[in-house]
Amino acid sequence: AQKITQTQPGMFVQEKEAVTLDCTYDTSDPSYGLFWYKQPSSGEMIFLIYQGSYDQQNATEGRYSLNFQKARKSANLVISASQLGDSAMYFCAMRDSGGYQKVTFGTGTKLQVIP
Amino acid sequence: EAEVAQSPRYKITEKSQAVAFWCDPISGHATLYWYRQILGQGPELLVQFQDESVVDDSQLPKDRFSAERLKGVDSTLKIQPAELGDSAMYLCASSLEGQLQETQYFGPGTRLLVL
Repeated sequence: AQKITQTQPGMFVQEKEAVTLDCTYDTSDPSYGLFWYKQPSSGEMIFLIYQGSYDQQNATEGRYSLNFQKARKSANLVISASQLGDSAMYFCAMRDSGGYQKVTFGTGTKLQVIP
Repeated sequence: EAEVAQSPRYKITEKSQAVAFWCDPISGHATLYWYRQILGQGPELLVQFQDESVVDDSQLPKDRFSAERLKGVDSTLKIQPAELGDSAMYLCASSLEGQLQETQYFGPGTRLLVL
């Protein structure tokens, strides 16, 4: 069974600094996808970035990048130049190729950006 | 930009009452998901549809929850009778075909409070 672990319940970062949010995963499937979502206090889940298990390069989307270390089964999200609007919950999620490709979410990390 | 619609946004009900949530996915999206998110946790999949068929309802409490997507477009999730422990955010999401690399697009969610 697939499992996602986010060990940081809460993080603080100074505005304009970079921050890394940790995510480790467990799956026996060689083919899988990893996602990061942002959830502001309003509740909607916003897609940030995707990394496929066979992708050779780490994914980047604007200020978001994914530090993918396949052997360590980690997929950490790096946010550069933090902004006040980055304050939110961040969820790591995984989908593997088994069955109907169910998505499993971690417990989330609450990020607070300090002015 | 196409969005996933959900209603109502907020619902307060008394225990033992019936409650229903509605979701309209992005046009053309074959895969529809219902998630439950308890405060402080990540979303948990309740049911996944591929067109009008349920492909995963392993975590759906079938004694009180039901879900349908009769024409393979919009969907309804029902709880009868509601219990105090059902208080949570109910999120609907859709994706094109539910394939490995596809992004799930989420609606704004319905916040349910059971008194």
